[in-house]
Amino acid sequence: DTGVSQDPRHKITKRGQNVTFRCDPISEHNRLYWYRQTLGQGPEFLTYFQNEAQLEKSRLLSDRFSAERPKGSFSTLEIQRTEQGDSAMYLCASSLILGGTDTQYFGPGTRLTVL
Amino acid sequence: QKEVEQDPGPLSVPEGAIVSLNCTYSNSAFQYFMWYRQYSRKGPELLMYTYSSGNKEDGRFTAQVDKSSKYISLFIRDSQPSDSATYLCAMSAHNYGQNFVFGPGTRLSVLP
Repeated sequence: DTGVSQDPRHKITKRGQNVTFRCDPISEHNRLYWYRQTLGQGPEFLTYFQNEAQLEKSRLLSDRFSAERPKGSFSTLEIQRTEQGDSAMYLCASSLILGGTDTQYFGPGTRLTVL
Repeated sequence: QKEVEQDPGPLSVPEGAIVSLNCTYSNSAFQYFMWYRQYSRKGPELLMYTYSSGNKEDGRFTAQVDKSSKYISLFIRDSQPSDSATYLCAMSAHNYGQNFVFGPGTRLSVLP
């Protein structure tokens, strides 16, 4: 399977714990995005990388959130001191900017439940 | 008022029906328009990508954009039970993903 993969698919944690999610993009894609999706809503942009550089962060991304993409390959999203409001689906997408078209391919998501 | 609005549904139709899914938006700067399909517990999958106003057809799917009315539509012909999913519209003023704004989605059920 050469699509975007995410791990874990589900994570249940207690409030105050730290969690880390991983995204493996399509191998030749240079852009990687993180989104958050809550029930009944569309994905909301969190942050994105062009190769290994994190170029933009949404105001939704509080100081408790950090993302990395070492070497421009896989990416991790860490949430520190989780809160119940962090419960959501966290989606990763990757794309290859080619000829001005940014077609994003999404992974299956990591569903986070904070108790 | 939200920047992008969709009727949340659920929309139930019999197999073979023509389905019309719609989005309205408020930002006149939007010029890139997309439709995604999202099955339960899966990530969104891009169906259609259009630029500016007009129609685009791909198999059973037709996307329409009316920028003067700030209204976009996705038509599905000969709907199948496998089309049952949530359909998300997304749009952007620039062709870069960090600017994409998604609608909340319309849940569609196609009944056999």
